[in-house]
Amino acid sequence: QSALTQPASVSGSPGQSITISCTGTSSDVGGYNYVSWYQQHPAKAPKLMIYDVSNRPSGVSNRFSGSKSGNTASLTISGLQAEDEADYYCSSYTSSSTQVFGGGTKLTVL
Amino acid sequence: EVQLVESGGGLVQPGGSLRLSCAASGFTFSAYWMHWVRQAPGKGLVWVSRINIEGSSTSFADSVKGRFTISRDNAKNTLYLQMNSLRPEDTAVYYCASSSPGYYFLDYWGQGTQVTVSS
Repeated sequence: QSALTQPASVSGSPGQSITISCTGTSSDVGGYNYVSWYQQHPAKAPKLMIYDVSNRPSGVSNRFSGSKSGNTASLTISGLQAEDEADYYCSSYTSSSTQVFGGGTKLTVL
Repeated sequence: EVQLVESGGGLVQPGGSLRLSCAASGFTFSAYWMHWVRQAPGKGLVWVSRINIEGSSTSFADSVKGRFTISRDNAKNTLYLQMNSLRPEDTAVYYCASSSPGYYFLDYWGQGTQVTVSS
């Protein structure tokens, strides 16, 4: 149950787009369309942003989008805003009937 | 409004036990799978355990298997995590979260309860 691999940090200026990658294996990300993404502001609970690779829950801005290719999933945030600055985590179902998170990516809005 | 409220955290010595609770309201608790996720200080999220609707099927991360037990009382709308043989590396904020049956994303989260394992 190794954690999925995410970059430790990404940054972008307001209005720009950024992409966060999430790399796993064929036993998790590559084997199922059950990748989800969570946003976490400091000292707050995580919030679901994307589920089942590319679906947005009601109330989440359409500036957030998800995709997957092989063993790598991606979260793209377009039109960056100051309030997007947070930690982002990917997660996947695994072949062991468990779930695994990525190590997290700190997004800085310059 | 959906609410998940964790309780039961605190300071415990290595080798000790603790039982966490998660009180649910604002949704049909008995219709959702439930999970525990933890986050060590300054670290990332780590999935800990899942339980199905009836409580008849459970799953655990390797790091807690054999030491932690998950259970639920649908009549009381409450989820539990019994933690035994605690280690310093179990120190974390523990969150409870829900998911729809057959779906593997966590849609509602509590605010967490702090567990500290130290002598």
